[in-house]
Amino acid sequence: DIQMTQSPSSLSASVGDRVTITCRASRGISNYLAWYQQKPGKAPKLLIDAASTLQSGVPSRFSGSGSGTDFTLTISSLQPEDVATYYCQKYGSVPLTFGPGTKVDIK
Amino acid sequence: EVQLLESGGGLVQPGGSLRLSCAASGFTFSNFAMSWVRQAPGRGLEWVSALSGSGGSTYYADSVKGRFTISRDNSKNRLYLQMSSLGAADTAVYYCAKTEIGGPPGPLDYWGQGTLVTVSS
Repeated sequence: DIQMTQSPSSLSASVGDRVTITCRASRGISNYLAWYQQKPGKAPKLLIDAASTLQSGVPSRFSGSGSGTDFTLTISSLQPEDVATYYCQKYGSVPLTFGPGTKVDIK
Repeated sequence: EVQLLESGGGLVQPGGSLRLSCAASGFTFSNFAMSWVRQAPGRGLEWVSALSGSGGSTYYADSVKGRFTISRDNSKNRLYLQMSSLGAADTAVYYCAKTEIGGPPGPLDYWGQGTLVTVSS
């Protein structure tokens, strides 16, 4: 099975900072990569699929890039409402493996 | 508006069984594959199982294969997860989620609020 890793596991940044989260697949997955945001006590929310396609209603400060094995999620200007844990997920074949998550908070 | 509402969680003894249910509304249920995803307390997300729109194809994580059974009733717009031989490692919030497009191995665009399963004596 393909394994997913994320770095860092947590980060603290100031409002307005640019934040980048990295996700790596143990083998190439083309662009079959999704990003989810999970706020405390809430269900996950799909932010991005196909590595870079922003879901409707998601603020444009979020963006995704990458292909193959290396992917990034960028928040161009961190806002207080972005405090959450972010997960990458590979799809296209089972198992639908999630990364371990990156917890983002405000400094 | 898409809505997914899980039920059936609770406290169960080790070795016991439980059936989770997910009531779906706001979309043509039979057209979409569905998944169960779980999250142990303080831990990350773990995909558990998926099922095609017709119910003809099922998929399981190795951790639950042979113990869990996913099914659906498209006439009732309901998804189910029958869980047996439960152990402490199965303690988690279980989420029902809709696949965005295509077959089961796809992104999950809508999620329920989850139901907590606690395995303990």
